[in-house]
Amino acid sequence: AQSVSQHNHHVILSEAASLELGCNYSYGGTVNLFWYVQYPGQHLQLLLKYFSGDPLVKGIKGFEAEFIKSKFSFNLRKPSVQWSDTAEYFCAVNPTGANNLFFGTGTRLTVIP
Amino acid sequence: DAGITQSPRYKITETGRQVTLMCHQTWSHSYMFWYRQDLGHGLRLIYYSAAADITDKGEVPDGYVVSRSKTENFPLTLESATRSQTSVYFCASNAQGDTQYFGPGTRLTVL
Repeated sequence: AQSVSQHNHHVILSEAASLELGCNYSYGGTVNLFWYVQYPGQHLQLLLKYFSGDPLVKGIKGFEAEFIKSKFSFNLRKPSVQWSDTAEYFCAVNPTGANNLFFGTGTRLTVIP
Repeated sequence: DAGITQSPRYKITETGRQVTLMCHQTWSHSYMFWYRQDLGHGLRLIYYSAAADITDKGEVPDGYVVSRSKTENFPLTLESATRSQTSVYFCASNAQGDTQYFGPGTRLTVL
């Protein structure tokens, strides 16, 4: 079945550590890719998106993601996390022709001061 | 203010009751969506709408009804609430081919 996989369910890091969250999808063809963040008690906010062009996408708050088409991956990275990055992170895929997003199950990030 | 709003933000109801969750957006986006968020499942699409009077089922539509008589509103109704519908519900909208924006969510508890 087509899906979006986030293999890291809960990641715990100390402040200043580097972060990489995995996202793999199984949809064929052209896709639009997104990372959303959900801070505790809040709604989803867009971190970054990839529609086309440079596969290395820079988003808000120092986050970036790299689209690797051959690996069907769109991993999220940040070189140095802060306590305020504690949140849940969702990868989402919009296959071309589809009207909606397909979400991964999310990765909870806890950053220890 | 422009944006996407949901009401109520919190709701407690009993099994068998009808509940309607409201969603309103001020961007005139053509597309609107309802998701539910449950632990271990991420967000799952319940229903979506491509325009006024056009709705379609998502991944988990059973037990829900939607309508879209006006572009800016997309209410979600649970006709006879069940405990399995206890969840956080998010409404979202986007212009065609553009980023999807989410509302603040409604936390629904069915006793």
